Amino acid sequence: AQSVTQPDIHITVSEGASLELRCNYSYGATPYLFWYVQSPGQGLQLLLKYFSGDTLVQGIKGFEAEFKRSQSSFNLRKPSVHWSDAAEYFCAVGGTGANNLFFGTGTRLTVIP
Amino acid sequence: DSGVTQTPKHLITATGQRVTLRCSPRSGDLSVYWYQQSLDQGLQFLIQYYNGEERAKGNILERFSAQQFPDLHSELNLSSLELGDSALYFCASSVGGGQPQHFGDGTRLSIL
Repeated sequence: AQSVTQPDIHITVSEGASLELRCNYSYGATPYLFWYVQSPGQGLQLLLKYFSGDTLVQGIKGFEAEFKRSQSSFNLRKPSVHWSDAAEYFCAVGGTGANNLFFGTGTRLTVIP
Repeated sequence: DSGVTQTPKHLITATGQRVTLRCSPRSGDLSVYWYQQSLDQGLQFLIQYYNGEERAKGNILERFSAQQFPDLHSELNLSSLELGDSALYFCASSVGGGQPQHFGDGTRLSIL
């Protein structure tokens, strides 16, 4: 069965500190992996996606993610967090021919000065 | 700005009522997807239309229905509303029939 697990419900980091948000997936075929960010009252904005090729994917706003097939993980990273990064982050998985995305439950990021 | 427009932004109604949510996809996108985001269920896929035809169905209740019109805008109809239908309903669009690319800001539906 397809599923996405984001084990951290809430993370608090200091501004300027590094960030890693965890995502583990279960998918029966070759996965397409996505990270979205949702600011309060806003829709979902695509940060980055992985379909194939280089397992380290660069996204917008200085984010990157690394696909590790052996660990079924697609963790999101940022070397230095800004206060404007405070938001909810969702990992999602889909696949070839799939029209649906399965979303994780999200990780809420709080940034403290 | 994703280019996906959803109206209304907020909707408050009572149990048993019927509402219609509207979505205009990003210019050039042929697919429209509907998602429901609730506290207990998270983000769930409801249904997808591609160029006017239903393409995929997810966890959409029988009380809910959708359609995509020739101008590619889509409407999600929710009837016999229950308290549990209170949620944020997102529309997304993409050029092709694969995964959604662009999300709207959502319609927040509150059932009293």
